[in-house]
Amino acid sequence: SQELEQSPQSLIVQEGKNLTINCTSSKTLYGLYWYKQKYGEGLIFLMMLQKGGEEKSHEKITAKLDEKKQQSSLHITASQPSHAGIYLCGAVDGGGSQGNLIFGKGTKLSVKP
Amino acid sequence: DSGVTQTPKHLITATGQRVTLRCSPRSGDLSVYWYQQSLDQGLQFLIQYYNGEERAKGNILERFSAQQFPDLHSELNLSSLELGDSALYFCASSVAPYSQNGYTFGSGTRLTVV
Repeated sequence: SQELEQSPQSLIVQEGKNLTINCTSSKTLYGLYWYKQKYGEGLIFLMMLQKGGEEKSHEKITAKLDEKKQQSSLHITASQPSHAGIYLCGAVDGGGSQGNLIFGKGTKLSVKP
Repeated sequence: DSGVTQTPKHLITATGQRVTLRCSPRSGDLSVYWYQQSLDQGLQFLIQYYNGEERAKGNILERFSAQQFPDLHSELNLSSLELGDSALYFCASSVAPYSQNGYTFGSGTRLTVV
C-alpha cells in the first residue's frame, strides 16, 4: 500500500523566517492534498496538486509537486504565529478509483514571536 | 463551521461498551470518509461510503462498522471497546472522489475509553 513520509516531524522557527515541509510518497501521486490542523481540531484544506511540476499558492503558503509526482513541498514565507499547527499531506491511495485519502504523520510547526 | 457536523464532540465510556458516532456531510456531498487519529498512529483511514454504498475499507477493525443512510448522514459503530480505541474520530465528505476542492473535515469526536 502507499505510504507518505513527512519531514521534518517538528519545526520551531522564529517569526518572519521562511520554512519548508516535505512529503515523499512510496508510489506515484495522483492527487496530493495539503491540510493544516490546530491541535485537537479538524483539518483545514489548504490546496490540492495533481500535475507534475504544478505549483499553487494561498496567501504566504506555496506548495509544489515535483515532475516525477512522488514528492511535494510546502513553503511558508515570512512565518507568523497564525501559521503554527500541524501540517499534513494526504494522497489518493494508490491512485485507486475510490479516492480515499491516506495521510502522512504530520509536521508540527511552532512559530516563536 | 466546515459544513460537516459530527456528534457528539466528546464521549467517555467504559471498556466493553458500544458507541455510535454520527456524521452529517456538507450539503451536496455524496462521499463520506471516516478516520481515526491517535498520537502514535496518526490519521488512519477507516472506511468510505458513496451515496449509500460502501466503496473502500482501510484499517477498520471487525468490532467497528459503519453505514450511510438515504439522507446521506453516516454512523460509525464501535463495539467491545478497548482502551486502545481512545482517539479522535473524524468524518470527512466530498462531492466525489478526487475532488479538487478538497475533502471537508468535521471537528471530530474525541472518544475516551476508561
